Amino acid sequence: SQKIEQNSEALNIQEGKTATLTCNYTNYSPAYLQWYRQDPGRGPVFLLLIRENEKEKRKERLKVTFDTTLKQSLFHITASQPADSATYLCAPPGGTGNQFYFGTGTSLTVIP
Amino acid sequence: KAGVTQTPRYLIKTRGQQVTLSCSPISGHRSVSWYQQTPGQGLQFLFEYFSETQRNKGNFPGRFSGRQFSNSRSEMNVSTLELGDSALYLCASSLDGPSGNTIYFGEGSWLTVV
Repeated sequence: SQKIEQNSEALNIQEGKTATLTCNYTNYSPAYLQWYRQDPGRGPVFLLLIRENEKEKRKERLKVTFDTTLKQSLFHITASQPADSATYLCAPPGGTGNQFYFGTGTSLTVIP
Repeated sequence: KAGVTQTPRYLIKTRGQQVTLSCSPISGHRSVSWYQQTPGQGLQFLFEYFSETQRNKGNFPGRFSGRQFSNSRSEMNVSTLELGDSALYLCASSLDGPSGNTIYFGEGSWLTVV
């Protein structure tokens, strides 16, 4: 069955540094993948979508890569700020319609 | 444009009772999906409705059901509540594009079963 793994449950970095989060998937080849941010007690907020024919996608300080050979997506936040502290989820689609598999998320803490 | 609206935001129920949660999607979105989020399991897909028909279903028991109305609003129902049903229930809506559908979540309904 499909499996989504995100690196270490918690990641602490110093303000101003680049945070890199990893999402690995096995047993299938999604045509695209999405990244979401979730704050405690809130619903996930969509950040970026990257398709299999796009190696890289950027939005302001965010960058996502998608390596279909490695079956991996990397999510980068450059010049990180304390306000970036949240849980980040990767979500490739699962089958037909709008069913998605969500990773368990990586909790990012940016230390001032 | 208003986002996905879920009601109620918080509720407490007793084991054995049933509960109905409501979701109003973003205007123009015809796909509504439901997810359960717990600390141990993360986000788990419950089901998806499109044009009043269930299009996908996750691996949950039959106690979990849903429906969608002609205005795309959706409800989910959990009968015979168990303690393990305590979770954040999230609704998400989406346009049904040809490729790469993004789903947009509401703030969720916190259900506590005691």
